[in-house]
Formats: sequence, C-alpha cells, structure tokens
Amino acid sequence: SQQGEEDPQALSIQEGENATMNCSYKTSINNLQWYRQNSGRGLVHLILIRSNEREKHSGRLRVTLDTSKKSSSLLITASRAADTASYFCATSLMTSGSRLTFGEGTQLTVNP
Amino acid sequence: DTAVSQTPKYLVTQMGNDKSIKCEQNLGHDTMYWYKQDSKKFLKIMFSYNNKELIINETVPNRFSPKSPDKAHLNLHINSLELGDSAVYFCASSPGLGQGANNTGELFFGEGSRLTVL
Repeated sequence: SQQGEEDPQALSIQEGENATMNCSYKTSINNLQWYRQNSGRGLVHLILIRSNEREKHSGRLRVTLDTSKKSSSLLITASRAADTASYFCATSLMTSGSRLTFGEGTQLTVNP
Repeated sequence: DTAVSQTPKYLVTQMGNDKSIKCEQNLGHDTMYWYKQDSKKFLKIMFSYNNKELIINETVPNRFSPKSPDKAHLNLHINSLELGDSAVYFCASSPGLGQGANNTGELFFGEGSRLTVL
C-alpha cells in the first residue's frame, strides 16, 4: 500500500486566494515533510512537521498534522502566480530511518 | 554553486543500450539517493547509500546498478535499457541516517535527468 496520498490531484485558483492541499498516510511517522516541484525542476523542501507537533508556520505556509487521523494539510495563503507548481508530502516512517516516501502530489495552478 | 548536480539533464537512447547518470553533492552529506519519477509524477525511491555503503535497495531490476566511489558521488548505471525505463531520475542527498534533533531527514534534490528510451 502506498504511504502518502494527496488530494486534490489538481487545484486551480486565482492569485490572492488561499490554497489548501491534504495528505493522508497509513503508518506511524517520525515526521512529515512538504516539497514543491516547479515544472522541469527538482524538488525543493518547504517545511517539516514532527510527529509531536500539531501546527507549523513558515512565511505564507501553514502546515497542520493530525496523527490520530493520519493526515496533514498545507495551506498557502495569499497565493501568487509563482506558487504554481506540484506539491508533495513525504513521510519518514518510524521503522525506515532515513527513507522518505512521497505522495502522488497536488498540481497547483495560480492564475494571475 | 549547485548543491546536488546530476548529468546529463537529458538522455535519449535506443532500447538495449547501456547508459549512466552521474550525481555529485558538495553539501558534505553522508547519505545519497536515487529516486525515479514516472510520467504521472509518482516519485519512488530506488537506492540509498550512506558513506559509500548501500543501505536501501528497493525492488529494482538488477539492470540498475548504483556505484558510490566516495560519499560525494552516487552514479547510476543502467544496462539493456527498456521502454519502461523512460522517466526522470532524481539524485538527492541528506546529512545522514540519525534521527537526532539536528537531522530532519530533509532531502536536497538535483534537477533531474530525463531518460527517454526509444
């Protein structure tokens, strides 16, 4: 079974609006990370939340983690056209050390 | 200064050929990885090396052979290429394996190598 499933698969919004992406996972985790991938580029780390944390902020990003529901959400506030990218959650499992398992990603399009 | 660099960026080749992708990181990290991203953008780990030692070897055909001459380099050699090998291959690195407060397991990715097998 795949660890890390995201929804929606695609999201299209207008500049200035907020974007929310969700990630669900199946087994206990050490931490959950969010990455961004611009078209044709590598993945870039955005933010990490540990299993004992519930919410974290970084600039316009807000991440929540609900370990009881095995889910996380990434909120991007006041979106910009430059936020257009694919966003992936990745989980570090209790039993797998340094291995990160990625979700299927959400394609976010921010229209100017 | 590129932290994780991989070459080539694009590779177009015929079925049956053998090809290599090289990766170097200048971050001083102990751990390096190869990930494969398919056409649906699904990213799957293939291999991981820590200080030149293989620590993760997913269910990957043995036509794929990673080599780590030192901890700053992790190359990927692919024999007898097949159509299904077409994908984008990403190299990544991380500080190490420990789960201490200073080691978050954050990955630093290269820009990817797009392999097209005809």
